[in-house]
Amino acid sequence: DGGITQSPKYLFRKEGQNVTLSCEQNLNHDAMYWYRQDPGQGLRLIYYSQIVNDFQKGDIAEGYSVSREKKESFPLTVTSAQKNPTAFYLCASRRDVDTEAFFGQGTRLTVV
Amino acid sequence: AQTVTQSQPEMSVQEAETVTLSCTYDTSESDYYLFWYKQPPSRQMILVIRQEAYKQQNATENRFSVNFQKAAKSFSLKISDSQLGDAAMYFCAYRSPFAGNNRKLIWGLGTSLAVNP
Repeated sequence: DGGITQSPKYLFRKEGQNVTLSCEQNLNHDAMYWYRQDPGQGLRLIYYSQIVNDFQKGDIAEGYSVSREKKESFPLTVTSAQKNPTAFYLCASRRDVDTEAFFGQGTRLTVV
Repeated sequence: AQTVTQSQPEMSVQEAETVTLSCTYDTSESDYYLFWYKQPPSRQMILVIRQEAYKQQNATENRFSVNFQKAAKSFSLKISDSQLGDAAMYFCAYRSPFAGNNRKLIWGLGTSLAVNP
C-alpha cells in the first residue's frame, strides 16, 4: 500500500545531541514537508521540498536541517542549536501544489 | 497575511447527533482552498473535506459537509450521525493558489471533539 512512513514513533535525545527523523513515501509525490506541532499552537512549517536536491526554509527552520537526495526520502535533523526541540513532528507529501497533502503518523521527540 | 481562527477549543456531541465546528479566516485573495483535517488519537492527520473558493456549492463527503460562506469568510464543518470514531482534533486550513511560499497551508489551532455514547 502507498503511504508515508515516519520513524521512529518515539525518540529521546539528550541535550546537545543531533537526531535525525526519517520520512519515506512511496506515493511518487514531488513535494514533501516537515511540520512541528506543539500543544495550543497548531502546525508550523519547518522545511519543504518541491523537488529532489532542492528545499526551502519554512517559518521555523532555525535549529533544523534537511536533505532531499531521493524523491522518496526527506529526513529532518534536529540539531543542538534548536532550543526547544521537544515536540511532535509530522511529515507530509503531495503530488503537486494543487493537490491535498498526505501525512505520516508522526514522531514524538523528547529531550531528556 | 492569511489567518485561520477556530473559536471552539473543545466541543462534544452525543453519538448519532449532529455537530458543527466553526472556522473563520482572513484573506485578501479571491481564490483559494479550504480544508478540514482530522487528527485522531493516533495523531495521523487525515483529510476530511476540501473546498475550492470559486465553487459556490458546499462540499460533501458522506456524513461530513461544509457551510462555506465566502463573503463572511466562514467555513464550518458539519458532522451528521456522529460516531465514536469521529472523536478527534479537527483542524481547519487555508491554502493560497499562488506560488509564493509554495502555497503552504495556514492552520487553525484546532477543535477537540468528544463523542459521548
